[in-house]
Amino acid sequence: GENVEQHPSTLSVQEGDSAVIKCTYSDSASNYFPWYKQELGKRPQLIIDIRSNVGEKKDQRIAVTLNKTAKHFSLHITETQPEDSAVYFCAAPNTPSSGSARQLTFGSGTQLTVLP
Amino acid sequence: DVKVTQSSRYLVKRTGEKVFLECVQDMDHENMFWYRQDPGLGLRLIYFSYDVKMKEKGDIPEGYSVSREKKERFSLILESASTNQTSMYLCASSPGLAEGKNIQYFGAGTRLSVL
Repeated sequence: GENVEQHPSTLSVQEGDSAVIKCTYSDSASNYFPWYKQELGKRPQLIIDIRSNVGEKKDQRIAVTLNKTAKHFSLHITETQPEDSAVYFCAAPNTPSSGSARQLTFGSGTQLTVLP
Repeated sequence: DVKVTQSSRYLVKRTGEKVFLECVQDMDHENMFWYRQDPGLGLRLIYFSYDVKMKEKGDIPEGYSVSREKKERFSLILESASTNQTSMYLCASSPGLAEGKNIQYFGAGTRLSVL
């Protein structure tokens, strides 16, 4: 199955600075990499995802980059704001022996704190 | 708008009790999942289901079972609750298997305390 490692586990930045969270994965066949944001006391929600046929995707202040050769992908948040404070999870498909990649394996999470 | 509803936000049970956590989704999704969330460990998959009456073990199925009698409902069962099952439990659903369809939508979570 897939193994996803996420770093750092905690990250503090000053408001307006950039934040970068990195994940590595083990299965070279993985082709879909989502990022979820979980605000305090709320449910995780998808914020951006990338597929293996592109190297970068942007949506306003957030972007995700993918390096398939090195098997890592990163979340970049620019001009951080206090409302960006949350736990962020990366994920990759987990294809079991049955062959159907319905599952996602999640990273351990990064607690991002944006200091005013 | 996808809605995944978990029946309880907070639950307190005693060691040895049988516990049912219920999850309902209203978007006719094929797949449903149960995770537990613990600090520093992320989201760990307990069980998932890709069809009615079908289930597959996730990474940490021990001590849990599941039931999916109807497409919209997926239940997590703790046959005999233990203190190490104190955790936040999250249910999720996703539309299907094809590329672009494995976005997961989460419920609000059930915080279970086993005393």
